[in-house]
Amino acid sequence: EVQLLESGGGLVQSGESLRLSCAASGFSFSSYAMSWVRQAPGKGLEWVSSITGSADKRFYADSVEGRFTISRDSSTLYLQLKGLRAEDTAVYYCAKESNAGPMYNWFESWGQGTLVTVSS
Amino acid sequence: DIQMTQSPSSLSASVGDRVTITCRASQTVSTYLNWYQQKPGKAPKLLIYAASSLQSGVPSRFSGSRSGTDFTLTISSLQPEDFATYYCQHSYSAPLTFGGGTKVEVK
Repeated sequence: EVQLLESGGGLVQSGESLRLSCAASGFSFSSYAMSWVRQAPGKGLEWVSSITGSADKRFYADSVEGRFTISRDSSTLYLQLKGLRAEDTAVYYCAKESNAGPMYNWFESWGQGTLVTVSS
Repeated sequence: DIQMTQSPSSLSASVGDRVTITCRASQTVSTYLNWYQQKPGKAPKLLIYAASSLQSGVPSRFSGSRSGTDFTLTISSLQPEDFATYYCQHSYSAPLTFGGGTKVEVK
């Protein structure tokens, strides 16, 4: 059974940093691209970043480019958040994609999410 | 960037109703269009991938279709557990984008 467990969220001040983690189990981690998707309180879903299975390609939303960094190791997905702003306040979900490659996938499994609150 | 315009933003329906939600892409996404269901306080759940393929374990009352850059999610007979918010999402190119969501409420 696929399991994705996010951690690392919390309350921070504007301008501070945070690192989110997503511990993965139940599948061959390196065989799948992974993504972060966020949801601001009461709002819709927003894709944040994706990384291929081999970690050779990374993609970012314009809203986080240059401030957030996605990475992965053998079983954990990470998202380093720097220069946090009030508008980054959201639940951050990690999601397992359907293939190793960068595009044409779907988010077939999701974690339960971790809440990041940025106070100004 | 490809924009996804989802309509309606909300609808009221009764159990047993046929429900249709539409998503329009601002340019071609081929068949790289997926649908998700989200209930309050829960993570999204994949329903339909590649425009019309039903995810394993999803009831057959859910279906998806494509006509050019217009995509449709249909629930053939709404069940009590289907009251939720639905999102479309394309995976044709970065940035990946979601539609604004459609909240299906009890009439």
